[in-house]
Amino acid sequence: DAKTTQPNSMESNEEEPVHLPCNHSTISGTDYIHWYRQLPSQGPEYVIHGLTSNVNNRMASLAIAEDRKSSTLILHRATLRDAAVYYCILRDVRFTSGTYKYIFGTGTRLKVLA
Amino acid sequence: DARVTQTPRHKVTEMGQEVTMRCQPILGHNTVFWYRQTMMQGLELLAYFRNRAPLDDSGMPKDRFSAEMPDATLATLKIQPSEPRDSAVYFCASGLNAGTSYEQYFGPGTRLTVT
Repeated sequence: DAKTTQPNSMESNEEEPVHLPCNHSTISGTDYIHWYRQLPSQGPEYVIHGLTSNVNNRMASLAIAEDRKSSTLILHRATLRDAAVYYCILRDVRFTSGTYKYIFGTGTRLKVLA
Repeated sequence: DARVTQTPRHKVTEMGQEVTMRCQPILGHNTVFWYRQTMMQGLELLAYFRNRAPLDDSGMPKDRFSAEMPDATLATLKIQPSEPRDSAVYFCASGLNAGTSYEQYFGPGTRLTVT
């Protein structure tokens, strides 16, 4: 299973951009990069995903390196509500079953300072 | 706003007792996942189903855990007998496998304490 490496924790000031890095040097050509976050006392929630090109949605942007061995989740203006653990996950494809499973790492705990 | 629901939200039980956790996936989703989260191990995948058929339960202790989907609107995770080391938050997630990649929607979790 391809693995990801993330810093344990990061801090950001409110209303400033946050760049959360993720290394995935063993990524395969068909692995999608997914980001989830987990707010305190809640289940994880989907943030964004991508394959090769940078992606934007209402929550965040995902910048993927050209060699795909790393990616960065960008929160354009951090709010206190963005304080959470952010997980970078590679989709583990099982072609025989036609579905797949995620392998969650330890994630990055983001602290947002008022 | 469609959501995954889980019951009970909290469960305290004594060692040796049977525990049943229930999950109602989002209507129309065809894939269901069970995860367990502890401080030490983080989020671990226990089992998952596609179209109600179990596809992988390799993450689950076979001797005491069982997962089923009696119908498309209900997934259950049972522990019998329960042990203190089973204390954790158990999450259910559902998704629609309609392409090469899709998102999972997580429920609020069941916090299990085994004394």
